[in-house]
Amino acid sequence: EPEVTQTPSHQVTQMGQEVILRCVPISNHLYFYWYRQILGQKVEFLVSFYNNEISEKSEIFDDQFSVERPDGSNFTLKIRSTKLEDSAMYFCASRRTQPSNQPQHFGDGTRLSIL
Amino acid sequence: DQQVKQNSPSLSVQEGRISILNCDYTNSMFDYFLWYKKYPAEGPTFLISISSIKDKNEDGRFTVFLNKSAKHLSLHIVPSQPGDSAVYFCAASVWGGGSNYKLTFGKGTLLTVNP
Repeated sequence: EPEVTQTPSHQVTQMGQEVILRCVPISNHLYFYWYRQILGQKVEFLVSFYNNEISEKSEIFDDQFSVERPDGSNFTLKIRSTKLEDSAMYFCASRRTQPSNQPQHFGDGTRLSIL
Repeated sequence: DQQVKQNSPSLSVQEGRISILNCDYTNSMFDYFLWYKKYPAEGPTFLISISSIKDKNEDGRFTVFLNKSAKHLSLHIVPSQPGDSAVYFCAASVWGGGSNYKLTFGKGTLLTVNP
């Protein structure tokens, strides 16, 4: 069964450094998402992406965050200048558009640790 | 922001018995509800969903019930198996025109099925 794949599984970065998290969504999916889960807290929506542009973003997704689909398969999340509070699990998800009421499928996540 | 609440952090049941996981929501705009299962070091895995036009959806051992007037849904697992031991997340979405179908998650319930 097709899967969403995320790399790396664990990223350790110094505060203030840039980090790029990578995702390969399921190939016939057209909606892409990033979520994060801070330890002990809920999974939170960050951003949705459709038709090569951001369709919605949360308050968390400030100017330090950006997303890109650089080619036909990858979907990336960049954090320009990481802060300690960016430490979390980051999940990528994708979804088909048809038929209606399709669930989102998640990758196994990237654990981001900011030192 | 507690739009989706799972008030039981944990639940323990015996193998073969029924597991009932509960979820409440406050946002009356939500019209599509999903349950995800999550094992440690993995991403959420889609289990079952229900749209607001139904009050029950069944898939094998899993049944989701929706009570719109009470803004409450539940997941029944019958019979429970040790492999069902995981964290179960309730999630909700607005499934309307122009919606980006972002998911709002509950905090999760840790289910332990004892042999």
